[in-house]
Amino acid sequence: TAGITQAPTSQILAAGRSMTLRCTQDMRHNAMYWYRQDLGLGLRLIHYSNTAGTTGKGEVPDGYSVSRANTDDFPLTLASAVPSQTSVYFCASSSGTGGEKLFFGSGTQLSVL
Amino acid sequence: GQSLEQPSEVTAVEGAIVQINCTYQTSGFYGLSWYQQHDGGAPTFLSYNALDGLEETGRFSSFLSRSDSYGYLLLQELQMKDSASYFCAVRGRNQAGTALIFGKGTTLSVSS
Repeated sequence: TAGITQAPTSQILAAGRSMTLRCTQDMRHNAMYWYRQDLGLGLRLIHYSNTAGTTGKGEVPDGYSVSRANTDDFPLTLASAVPSQTSVYFCASSSGTGGEKLFFGSGTQLSVL
Repeated sequence: GQSLEQPSEVTAVEGAIVQINCTYQTSGFYGLSWYQQHDGGAPTFLSYNALDGLEETGRFSSFLSRSDSYGYLLLQELQMKDSASYFCAVRGRNQAGTALIFGKGTTLSVSS
């Protein structure tokens, strides 16, 4: 079973450009999440979705948008990237909205120059 | 809002026991989770405590005291492969609904 697949693995992006990070899960989990991880700051929640068709803002949502058109896919879009969005991005899912046990993708290393 | 505090670094030797503490503040508490992350890897789930007391899973144990807003992860018989970052996380009620919020992580270095 693949679990959670993120793409791309890494990307270098010019400031001002847009980009969509892809996340697909095959576990039929209801809840999905996007976190960013920066050195010394741990994992910070960007956006989440408790079920298909609904999304919510996390701790650091500014500059990011998400959609949840179906159960499996949860793309994260940066409309106009800035250098402060340089980070490792992790997508995760859980079977319940409580989300005690999250399953993480392998991450996307994004550098905005 | 929510906040979690845990030490930034811990060092230990093989075979030793180490305890990683976590204190939290949250409005509406449901439980405390622990995750492990090796360098360059993704976080993986270790344990979850919803009630007070100790939960044991092999060499790892996790403890929770809700009255003290405090928990810890106990790692016994340390091995080199336990060198990793460890994160505590809470599911509480905040602007993120009830999604998991993570601490900044504790880097554990195990030496021989």
